Amino acid sequence: AQSVSQHNHHVILSEAASLELGCNYSYGGTVNLFWYVQYPGQHLQLLLKYFSGDPLVKGIKGFEAEFIKSKFSFNLRKPSVQWSDTAEYFCAVKTGGSYIPTFGRGTSLIVHP
Amino acid sequence: DAGVIQSPRHEVTEMGQEVTLRCKPISGHDYLFWYRQTMMRGLELLIYFNNNVPIDDSGMPEDRFSAKMPNASFSTLKIQPSEPRDSAVYFCASRRGSSYNEQFFGPGTRLTVL
Repeated sequence: AQSVSQHNHHVILSEAASLELGCNYSYGGTVNLFWYVQYPGQHLQLLLKYFSGDPLVKGIKGFEAEFIKSKFSFNLRKPSVQWSDTAEYFCAVKTGGSYIPTFGRGTSLIVHP
Repeated sequence: DAGVIQSPRHEVTEMGQEVTLRCKPISGHDYLFWYRQTMMRGLELLIYFNNNVPIDDSGMPEDRFSAKMPNASFSTLKIQPSEPRDSAVYFCASRRGSSYNEQFFGPGTRLTVL
């Protein structure tokens, strides 16, 4: 079974700092990749997703993620974070043989104003 | 559309009591998922349904947990008897058709078992 690793459990940044959250998976075949965000007290929302084509995916609110197949990674990036980006971020991976994605444990991001 | 609706939003109960969580998926969505979120274990898939039929319940912790989907617009997750270690946020999510589509999550039910 595939596994999803988010190595950073907690990240603390100051506003305007650059962000990169790691996501690695264990499956070697075709994958579909997602990043979800959960703002404090709210439900999970889709931030961006990758299925095929350009490995650099642009999402909402200035986020982007790059699929690097050789590294089994789908890291989330933002060049300049804001206080409002404080949230929990979840990476999810769906393999070709599965109907549902597997979620990582999440990374808690705190941005200080 | 109102999105995925869950009730109650908060539930506080005593150990040993029965707890029923409810979910109304987005109309037209044929997949429904129940997740549990805790600090220790993150987001765990408990069970999911397709066209009201349970497909995979391997994530259900034990026999105290049961889930039903009597029709396309309603699902319940029941815990009987409840225990303090069941305290968590329980999310329901729904999806239409292909697994390429995103899951839409409900606001969650925060359960506290004393």
